[in-house]
Amino acid sequence: NAGVTQTPKFQVLKTGQSMTLQCAQDMNHEYMSWYRQDPGMGLRLIHYSVGAGITDQGEVPNGYNVSRSTTEDFPLRLLSAAPSQTSVYFCASRGLVYTGELFFGEGSRLTVL
Amino acid sequence: TQLLEQSPQFLSIQEGENLTVYCNSSSVFSSLQWYRQEPGEGPVLLVTVVTGGEVKKLKRLTFQFGDARKDSSLHITAAQPGDTGLYLCAGREGGSEKLVFGKGTKLTVNP
Repeated sequence: NAGVTQTPKFQVLKTGQSMTLQCAQDMNHEYMSWYRQDPGMGLRLIHYSVGAGITDQGEVPNGYNVSRSTTEDFPLRLLSAAPSQTSVYFCASRGLVYTGELFFGEGSRLTVL
Repeated sequence: TQLLEQSPQFLSIQEGENLTVYCNSSSVFSSLQWYRQEPGEGPVLLVTVVTGGEVKKLKRLTFQFGDARKDSSLHITAAQPGDTGLYLCAGREGGSEKLVFGKGTKLTVNP
C-alpha cells in the first residue's frame, strides 16, 4: 500500500540552490497539497491543486512553485533556497469529497545552510 | 493569520488521567477534523465533524463540534502512554478547498 510517497526524505541545500521535492499518490485523488511544518507553527499550506492543470496558492506560497501535469504527481520546486525554508515538508491528498480524509506522506526534512 | 487557536500547546499527564484539548476560532467552519501525528510521520485522521453540536466517540476519545461551528474539543478518558503524540485540529471555511491547521497540542502520557 504505497499511498502518498515523498522523495527525498532528507536534503541539505546551500543558500541559492534549487531543488524539487517529489510527491506521488496512487489513490487517484484529485486534490493534492503541500504543507510545511515548523516548531510551534503547526502545518501551513503552501500550494494546492484540485486536479491536473489546476493549482492555487495557500497561506505561505512565496519562494515555492508547483505544477500538476498528471493526477498522480505534484512536485514542489524551490528555485533559490533560503535558510527560512528550512522545514519539514508534507505532501497530502484526498478524494473529491471535501470533508474526506487527507492522506499524508511521511515528510521531507529540508535544511538550507 | 492563524485561524485556529489550540490550547494547551503542551500537556504532560500521568496514565489514567483525563484531559481536554480545545480548538477555537472566530471563523465559522463547514467541517472540522482532528489529526494525530507521531514523531517522524505524517498526521493521521481521527475524526471529521460537520454538524454544529455534533459529538463523536472513538473508544476513549470524545470529539465535540460547537453549536456555532467555531470551536471544537477533544476529550480523552483514562489516557494511556499510547495516546502520546501531537494532536492537530484542522478546519475548512465554507466551500473552500483549503484545510487550515491549528498549531497543535503536544500530549505526553507518562506511565
